Amino acid sequence: EVQLVQSGGGLVQPGGSLRLSCAASGFSFGDYWMTWVRQAPGKGLEWVANIKPDGSAKYYLDSVKGRFTISRDNAKNSLSLQMNSLTVEDTAMYYCVRDQGCRGPNCFSYYQLWGQGTLVTVSS
Amino acid sequence: EIVLTQSPGTLSLSPGERATLSCRASQSVSSGYFAWYQQKPGQAPRLLIYDASSRATGIPDRFSGSGSGTDFTLTISRLEPEDFAVYYCHQYSYLRTFGQGTKVEIK
Repeated sequence: EVQLVQSGGGLVQPGGSLRLSCAASGFSFGDYWMTWVRQAPGKGLEWVANIKPDGSAKYYLDSVKGRFTISRDNAKNSLSLQMNSLTVEDTAMYYCVRDQGCRGPNCFSYYQLWGQGTLVTVSS
Repeated sequence: EIVLTQSPGTLSLSPGERATLSCRASQSVSSGYFAWYQQKPGQAPRLLIYDASSRATGIPDRFSGSGSGTDFTLTISRLEPEDFAVYYCHQYSYLRTFGQGTKVEIK
């Protein structure tokens, strides 16, 4: 079955760190750009970061640059998001998604395959 | 950044009725790089339409997308009970931005 299964997340204090993971199966993970999208409670969707198939290029939302790091291990079919210096504004459901139909060197694309989501709550 | 504005915020309709959802972009979305997603409570979004008018795999033909430039539309020809949800538009022409959502609720 083609799927993305997420883990990690939880409650963390402001300034803290958290690592999200995403396990891919049923497709050739190393052939795809991968992305993290988040959704604050009751709000819309927001692109966070993406990574090239070989991991050689990574792009970030301005507000998370320098704090979040996206990475992948193609041998283990896994995607990660290391989140440091978290603020209350980072509170959201985070989705691991597979890019589809990439346009341009930064891979502007739509999202066919989504993980189930993992909740990150930043609160004191 | 291309800002997407969806209207209306909420659409109250009955099963069997036609739903027309709009999304307006602050600048032209080149080559129709535009998508629509459906999201139900507690679930991840589901891709419905990509490239403005192409239906994603497994999506019923009562869903259709149209538009170009700055104005895009998602039409649900006859609402089924499972279609009541929140719908988001998404442009991937330059960077990636989403609309704020339109809730389709049962009247």
